[in-house]
Amino acid sequence: DGGITQSPKYLFRKEGQNVTLSCEQNLNHDAMYWYRQDPGQGLRLIYYSQIVNDFQKGDIAEGYSVSREKKESFPLTVTSAQKNPTAFYLCASAAGDPIEKLFFGSGTQLSVL
Amino acid sequence: KNEVEQSPQNLTAQEGEFITINCSYSVGISALHWLQQHPGGGIVSLFMLSSGKKKHGRLIATINIQEKHSSLHITASHPRDSAVYICAVLGTSGSRLTFGEGTQLTVNP
Repeated sequence: DGGITQSPKYLFRKEGQNVTLSCEQNLNHDAMYWYRQDPGQGLRLIYYSQIVNDFQKGDIAEGYSVSREKKESFPLTVTSAQKNPTAFYLCASAAGDPIEKLFFGSGTQLSVL
Repeated sequence: KNEVEQSPQNLTAQEGEFITINCSYSVGISALHWLQQHPGGGIVSLFMLSSGKKKHGRLIATINIQEKHSSLHITASHPRDSAVYICAVLGTSGSRLTFGEGTQLTVNP
């Protein structure tokens, strides 16, 4: 079955450490997104990519980096420059232009040790 | 003021009740999405609307473009409908969504 797989489900980061969240999709979607979800707030866009080898900053890109070397994969690195990384991170892919259907991964909860 | 406002923030209902969740937005849009987030965090897309009304099972979504307002209705609500319902609007540029804060729905048996 087609879908999006995020891993790990839970991740702990030590001070000064970079961590990478994985997102893989087999839906053949061009567009992929990373969102951050904090309690009581709407999802906020970190980065998005509409095509392989190209990506754009979202509203809260500082302290994060991404790559899009393959259509299926869009990993997110939370760098040590992100001073408040504790949050729930969601990866999504989309079909249609404009977006007609959104598919989300199951999310990664990142916490700071 | 947020670009996308949902009401109510929290809603508790008894099984069988008719439920309405509202979404108002302040920007021009090309489409509006309704999403459902269950405990554990996974999000499922329910509807995409650019005009009029859509129905899927017990769920009905409507949009009024002139009034910049959309509603999600659940008929004959059931405890398994308990979730956070999220409204998201797609700007006229086409590829970025702006999300509301969500409505936490609890349906008691």
